[in-house]
Amino acid sequence: GQSLEQPSEVTAVEGAIVQINCTYQTSGFYGLSWYQQHDGGAPTFLSYNALDGLEETGRFSSFLSRSDSYGYLLLQELQMKDSASYFCAAMIYNQGGKLIFGQGTELSVKP
Amino acid sequence: DVKVTQSSRYLVKRTGEKVFLECVQDMDHENMFWYRQDPGLGLRLIYFSYDVKMKEKGDIPEGYSVSREKKERFSLILESASTNQTSMYLCASSDRGTSYEQYFGPGTRLTVT
Repeated sequence: GQSLEQPSEVTAVEGAIVQINCTYQTSGFYGLSWYQQHDGGAPTFLSYNALDGLEETGRFSSFLSRSDSYGYLLLQELQMKDSASYFCAAMIYNQGGKLIFGQGTELSVKP
Repeated sequence: DVKVTQSSRYLVKRTGEKVFLECVQDMDHENMFWYRQDPGLGLRLIYFSYDVKMKEKGDIPEGYSVSREKKERFSLILESASTNQTSMYLCASSDRGTSYEQYFGPGTRLTVT
């Protein structure tokens, strides 16, 4: 089957750096997306990696290693507002393209 | 500004009722998706559509059907609601070829009693 694994919870303090890992087992893999979802809110797109390596967008970076079927989201200079759930999602290209989501990582940022 | 709207924020239905969930996007996107979200299970794809009148089964299509008569509108239908369909339902849309970047609606919390 197709699956993605990520930790269920991560806790960090304000100002710190946190890394959320994601391993995947899928066929037809094209790339890895990351989404953020605050409590009661809609998921919002953060980043996408189609190629191996690091993509940086402000305080957030995302990394992909296709050979290891592994990626991570790196959040720097953590702020209280970063407390949310983070989902990795594999882009699968068949029948027009779709995402397979991981179960989500709940990040708690403490003062 | 990109916008996906869903017909109801909260919905309560009885077992056996036919339920319609509507989704409208104003971005002229070709692709539209229906997910359900349950604690600890992430988002699971029910159905998606990459063009008007086209539909593809996702990972959990059983008990659901969809309709896409217009490009901007994608409907999810529960033919006979059951208690195990109590969930948060999320609609999303994306441009053709960029399904990795989906725009989500606010969700409909459906309770089936």
